[in-house]
Parts: sequence; C-alpha cells; structure tokens
Amino acid sequence: KAGVTQTPRYLIKTRGQQVTLSCSPISGHRSVSWYQQTPGQGLQFLFEYFSETQRNKGNFPGRFSGRQFSNSRSEMNVSTLELGDSALYLCASSSPRGALTQYFGPGTRLLVL
Amino acid sequence: ELKVEQNPLFLSMQEGKNYTIYCNYSTTSDRLYWYRQDPGKSLESLFVLLSNGAVKQEGRLMASLDTKARLSTLHITAAVHDLSATYFCAVDIGGSQGNLIFGKGTKLSVKP
Repeated sequence: KAGVTQTPRYLIKTRGQQVTLSCSPISGHRSVSWYQQTPGQGLQFLFEYFSETQRNKGNFPGRFSGRQFSNSRSEMNVSTLELGDSALYLCASSSPRGALTQYFGPGTRLLVL
Repeated sequence: ELKVEQNPLFLSMQEGKNYTIYCNYSTTSDRLYWYRQDPGKSLESLFVLLSNGAVKQEGRLMASLDTKARLSTLHITAAVHDLSATYFCAVDIGGSQGNLIFGKGTKLSVKP
C-alpha cells in the first residue's frame, strides 16, 4: 500500500500571503489529521477530519482551516501568513478499524519570509 | 488541559548501555503512542499501548503503560547507533485517535 503523501514538500511564502497544503491518506483510511511541528512549540494538533466532517480542532487561530473531500483527500489552508507559521506541517491518516495507529506523511516544510 | 511530559529531553548514551525514557500525562487516557523521528524526516509509529499494564517489545525497544500512574516508559536495551533519533510519546483525547497530544520529544544520541 502506498503511504500518506503530502504536496508540496517545500514551500516559501511571504507574510500576508495564503497557502494551501494537500494530503492524500492511505487507501481506505477515512480519518485525516493535521499537525504543526516547530522547534519551539513541538508537535501541535491542528484538526482532524473524518468523512468530510471536522471532528476535532486544536487551539489555532481561524486563519488555519481545512477540509476533506469525498475521496478522503484533505487540504489545509493558512491565510494571512505570519513569520511564526514557518513550520513542518504533518498529515496523518488512520483507519477506524484495526490498529488505531496514525500513519504520518513526509510533511510540508513551509518557510514564511 | 492535557499535558504530556517527557524526560529526559536529551539523552546521550554509549552503545551497549540501557536506559529508560519516561512519559507522564496529566489526564485519563486509554491509548498511548510512541513515535520515532529521524532528522528531517516524518514520524514513524513504534508502539500503541491500549490498556493498563500493556507491554510491547520490538527489537531493543520495550514500551509499557501504567494508566493508574499516568506513566509510560520506553526502555532501550543495549543501545546501538541506529537508535539515535528523537522519540515522542503521544496521548489521544476526545475518544478518536485522530487528536494526539505529543510530548516535547527525547533526543537520543548513541555514541560508539
């Protein structure tokens, strides 16, 4: 089975711009979660989607949003980028059945200048 | 607010030695996860611990869970250089496995 894929892998933006990141889960997985990883704050949960519905949301401002499509692919959007949004954004997918493990993608490294 | 604390945050050990990483969490949870992250890479799942007293082993790594003490340990036996990485524990909240709260991670360096 192919793993979780994320595009793009690297991105450079300037303050005030917006960005959209994409995640394709493992085939058959319907839950997709997004995390932000920074050296200062570590790994922080952004949101989780299941069957096109946001099931959980972390403590991030409204500039961070996401959605999930009927094929379980997910996108996250960050509007009005700030320098502090520079981070590795990780997507993870899991199956409602079985091992309960979240499988992480390679991440998108975002640099905001 | 759920907090997950790992210690130590940095660990330098010699090959062949044993050591334990500790993970404390502040509220009730029935599932605890251990992940490994190599520099510049994503997270690799190591263990999922589902119940009190659960113990899982893979190679030189063994993880255990004590839900009453809200404590998980990751024990490293006879460390080798290939184990050098950052290890994270994570706890889920809200009843779905899609919402994990991570510890800060333990950066392990195994020296010959």
